[in-house]
Order: sequence, then structure tokens, then C-alpha cells
Amino acid sequence: DSGVTQTPKHLITATGQRVTLRCSPRSGDLSVYWYQQSLDQGLQFLIQYYNGEERAKGNILERFSAQQFPDLHSELNLSSLELGDSALYFCASSPLAGGVTDTQYFGPGTRLTVL
Amino acid sequence: SQQGEEDPQALSIQEGENATMNCSYKTSINNLQWYRQNSGRGLVHLILIRSNEREKHSGRLRVTLDTSKKSSSLLITASRAADTASYFCATAHGNQFYFGTGTSLTVIP
Repeated sequence: DSGVTQTPKHLITATGQRVTLRCSPRSGDLSVYWYQQSLDQGLQFLIQYYNGEERAKGNILERFSAQQFPDLHSELNLSSLELGDSALYFCASSPLAGGVTDTQYFGPGTRLTVL
Repeated sequence: SQQGEEDPQALSIQEGENATMNCSYKTSINNLQWYRQNSGRGLVHLILIRSNEREKHSGRLRVTLDTSKKSSSLLITASRAADTASYFCATAHGNQFYFGTGTSLTVIP
């Protein structure tokens, strides 16, 4: 158990809908990262937040947004969902801002199925 | 894409044998990390090697890094059936994080 929690575990929804994924980082970790893992694209880095502020942006679509709250939990919002958004979404946390020795600890993931 | 590439894509060995997987990347890096993922589960951090290090050991794991060739290798010695999983390398370049395509390792009891 990494100490990172994600809810929900599974999510099934329809195209065009909007969903929110939630992540609670390990106690004391200040950074939260979001990743998307699909069969054809592999593991893609979406976005990082550090202590409430956006720190780095990867391949995140404009239909997706995220935020980190004062208690350091984070939410990933996915809107206007398409079939291709079906994937495993992972959250990870790390103690620092992503420096040379900063290790990421992954949550169990949320499996999103868009029908 | 700056994503790393693992080689081989899939590897099947007998229990007790050693498993070697390789990772190549494209840009300069701050560090390189190896992660393991059991089917459908989250990734578990295995080992981190800094860009100024050449080799690192952790239990049955040995990682090497050759920054001149932009490549790394992960050696798992005396493999066990429980080592069956996918293994990913991940590189940190500035504020960006890139995971490789993964090597699927099957250890046959």
C-alpha cells in the first residue's frame, strides 16, 4: 500500500458526460501527479501540482482540468468524454516538487469506461 | 516523443534465471527510475539512479545508466514467479516526466 488513495475505483459513463476523479496523496507529500494509461498510448503524464499550484503540464487535453486543494487532495475533471478517454487514470504523489531524487508513489488507479 | 523505449517488449524466463531489460531515452535527464506494475494495478517504485551515477543495487535489482548512450538496464537476479509484472523506466527532464513503453516479464515456476 503506497498511501495514495484514489476514488472511485471504477467509473462507467457515457460519451459527452463529465466525471471527477479524486486523489489523496501520502501524508506529508506536497506534489500530486496525474497520469493516463491506455493500451495504445501507454502511460502518459498529464499534469503536476505542487502545494496547490500547477507545476508542470504534460499531454493533458483542454477538456481535462485538475486542481489541488488546500488540504493537498487533488481532483481531475474530465468533460465532454469520448470513447478514447477510456483508460486507467493514476494519481501519484511525491514529497517535493519533483527534483532529482523525488520518488513518485502511485495510487491504485481509477478505471474509466466511456460507453 | 521524448518517451523512453523498453526492450524487449516481452520476456519469458524460468524461475531462478536472471532477467535483463533495457531502456533508451532521447533527452538529457535529471534521474532515471524503474517502476513495476502488476496487471491493472498502480506502479510501484523500485529504484532511482541519478544522472551522475553509473550503477546502483537494491536487493536482487541492479540498475546501470549510460548517459552517453542514453540508456539504462535493469537486471533482476534469481527471478521468482512473483516477479511477473510489467517494468517501466521513467525519466525526469526538467518538470516533465516520461514513462517508457514497458517490458512485460513472465517468470515461469
